[in-house]
Parts: sequence; C-alpha cells; structure tokens
Amino acid sequence: NAGVTQTPKFQVLKTGQSMTLQCAQDMNHEYMSWYRQDPGMGLRLIHYSVGAGITDQGEVPNGYNVSRSTTEDFPLRLLSAAPSQTSVYFCASSQGKGDTQYFGPGTRLTVL
Amino acid sequence: SQKIEQNSEALNIQEGKTATLTCNYTNYSPAYLQWYRQDPGRGPVFLLLIRENEKEKRKERLKVTFDTTLKQSLFHITASQPADSATYLCALDWGKLQFGAGTQVVVTP
Repeated sequence: NAGVTQTPKFQVLKTGQSMTLQCAQDMNHEYMSWYRQDPGMGLRLIHYSVGAGITDQGEVPNGYNVSRSTTEDFPLRLLSAAPSQTSVYFCASSQGKGDTQYFGPGTRLTVL
Repeated sequence: SQKIEQNSEALNIQEGKTATLTCNYTNYSPAYLQWYRQDPGRGPVFLLLIRENEKEKRKERLKVTFDTTLKQSLFHITASQPADSATYLCALDWGKLQFGAGTQVVVTP
C-alpha cells in the first residue's frame, strides 16, 4: 500500500494563477479531507468528502474547490492564487468521518 | 466557537525523563480526542485516540488522559528518547476534526 500520496511536493505560483493539488489513496477510505498548515496556527480544514460525489466545506474553504469523482482521488483546485494561500497543504483519508486520519506527505506552495 | 490550546513553547527534556503535554479546549467536550506526532517536513501520524467516557489510554511508552471536567487532555511520554523529538498535535472532533497548533518536544541525550 502506498497510503496517501500527494503531488507535487513543491510548487511556486504567481498571483492569479490556478493549479490543482493532487491527492490519492489506495486504502479504499470513504472519508478524505484537505488541510492547510501555517506556522502557529495548526492544521485548518479546507474541504472534506464523505464519499464519491459528496463534498462539503471546512473551516477555510474560500478560494478553493474540490470534487470527488472516485473513491481514490480528491484533488484540490486553487482558482486564482493569492499570497495568503502560501502554506503547506496536507491531504488525509480515513475509513469513516471520526476514524484515524492517514496523512499524505504534504505540498509546500508558495504564491508570489 | 471551540478553541484548542497547546503550549506553543518547546518542551526541552532530558533523555529518560517523562514529557507531559497539555491540550486544553473550550465549550463542550468532544466525543473523542486524538493525538498525532509530526516530524519536520512530513504529515502527522496518528498515535492514540481516547473517548469522552475513557479516563486513560496507554500504548507502549505513551499515556493519554481525558478530563472532561477540566476540559483537558494530558499526553505523557515516559522514558523519553531523542527519537521522540517531534511536534505533537491534539485533535478534537466537534463534528469536524479540529487540530491544535502543537507542542514541540526536544529530548536531549
């Protein structure tokens, strides 16, 4: 099992550019989520999904879109990157909403 | 809104001693609480889960307590080792999992 994989590991964008952060899991988990981690603020939930075709907003959803067309994949789209979106992004999956979360290695994003 | 507080100052501890970390929260108690370990440049890794009706949970050298009256969880690492150096995060489920900012532990030989 590869677990949770994320690509890319690093990305630099210019303000206004769009991009998609990829996340995939091979554990057949129903629940997947995206977090951002900023110094001193801990992990903040951006969006989550309880199964294919179902997504919902977390604590800080503005500026991000998600979709869940398959159980395995949960991409995060930045529509128009802003410097405030400079952060480390983690994808996580779990069997159910309240279960142990398995995290990916993260994507470090810098927006200039 | 619910808030989680973890000590932002690093905990420096000598090898062999017990490290004790605190996770305080506001408002009502969550159904359960989790602790994660995070190493620099990596994603968090799950360590322990404790439910609101459990007072204490143990796993090897780790022990977690959950006091819903004090609205506090304590995380203990006994016989600490340099390999235990990391940041430790608590996470509470209030419908959605919410993480604390974490406390860094540095174990020196």
